[in-house]
Amino acid sequence: EVQLVESGGGAVRPGGSLRLSCAASGFTFDDYGMSWVRQAPGKGLEWVSGINWNGGTTNYADSVKGRFTISRDNAKNSLYLQMNSLRAEDTALYYCARDTISLWFATYYYCTDVWGKGTTVTVSS
Amino acid sequence: DIQMTQSPSTLSASVRDRVTITCRASQSISNWLAWHQQKPGKAPKLLIYKASSLESGVPSRFSGSGSGTEFTLTISGLQPDDVATYYCQQYNSYPYTFGQGTKVEIK
Repeated sequence: EVQLVESGGGAVRPGGSLRLSCAASGFTFDDYGMSWVRQAPGKGLEWVSGINWNGGTTNYADSVKGRFTISRDNAKNSLYLQMNSLRAEDTALYYCARDTISLWFATYYYCTDVWGKGTTVTVSS
Repeated sequence: DIQMTQSPSTLSASVRDRVTITCRASQSISNWLAWHQQKPGKAPKLLIYKASSLESGVPSRFSGSGSGTEFTLTISGLQPDDVATYYCQQYNSYPYTFGQGTKVEIK
């Protein structure tokens, strides 16, 4: 069974840091890209960051660029999100997601096909 | 960044009704569009990828169409289990972006 289990969420003061982790199982981890998507309380989904199969390519939403860093350890089947300089507006449920890769005319496209249950991050003084 | 706009924001329909949700992209995304369903208190779930391909295990009453900038998700015969918020997502170019969501209720 394909599973994504997030951990590392919690309460932190503005300006603080947190590191989220996502443990993957039930599939060949390095065959897939991975993403983080968040959802603020009562709001819609916001794509945060994505990483390719070997960690060589990363992308970020403008709202987190320069503050968040996505990484992965294929030997440990794990995805990470290092979050620094946290702000109140980063308060959200953070989902780890698996991305299926399509190659079309030399360009890769990553479609999220599996979601974890999420881990909650609260930034408050 | 590519903006994704869904309409309507909320819709109320009767069981067995045909329901259509529209998603418009601010620029062409070819057919790199997914639809996700999120039931209350649950994680999202992929329904449709590449605009019109049905994800394995998803009921055939769900269908997607469109290309370029205009896309639709259709539920042919609404069921009580379909009460959820539906999101389109473009994965044509970074940053990937979601629509604001369409909440579907039973009348």
